Amino acid sequence: SQQGEEDPQALSIQEGENATMNCSYKTSINNLQWYRQNSGRGLVHLILIRSNEREKHSGRLRVTLDTSKKSSSLLITASRAADTASYFCATVPGSGGSNYKLTFGKGTLLTVNP
Amino acid sequence: GAGVSQTPSNKVTEKGKYVELRCDPISGHTALYWYRQSLGQGPEFLIYFQGTGAADDSGLPNDRFFAVRPEGSVSTLKIQRTERGDSAVYLCASKLAGTDTQYFGPGTRLTVL
Repeated sequence: SQQGEEDPQALSIQEGENATMNCSYKTSINNLQWYRQNSGRGLVHLILIRSNEREKHSGRLRVTLDTSKKSSSLLITASRAADTASYFCATVPGSGGSNYKLTFGKGTLLTVNP
Repeated sequence: GAGVSQTPSNKVTEKGKYVELRCDPISGHTALYWYRQSLGQGPEFLIYFQGTGAADDSGLPNDRFFAVRPEGSVSTLKIQRTERGDSAVYLCASKLAGTDTQYFGPGTRLTVL
């Protein structure tokens, strides 16, 4: 079963614009992570935010977390054509003893047009 | 250093055949995971190894699927009597003990005809 739901399913923007993707989840979490996947193969870890954090930055990436709404957003600023990929959020549960397991959403397909 | 490697990168087989998919994790990573990703979906957890033992195999869909990690490093995912519904990309990831980030391999695309 999949815990996270990304929104939108697909996003098309022009180079230089900002891209925002959202993720909602259902159960309590220990942390939430964002991954990027090119061409349906290996995933690359982008950023992790813990349940007691509200915002994190890494280069052109900004992640927010609202545990009261069980939602997170990923902002990519000044997008580039090379940012074209699928983006997934993944959660690690906060209880239940499975704090090693990632549960992924279905992903957002981002297309950045040159 | 070397990342997670998976072989083969592509595997085409016929319905009913047996297949083995290999994962070579990052050296020193004690945790190893297998995921399955169907077209248009996110990866779904299959099994988690801590060292040589399968700590959680709750994601394996049925008893045709089995995985081993006999020496606590390389892992093999074995699928018996393959079905067309097994067609997917099988991803392996490894993680250093005490950390949160999983490092993924490039995956094996399995096609069952």
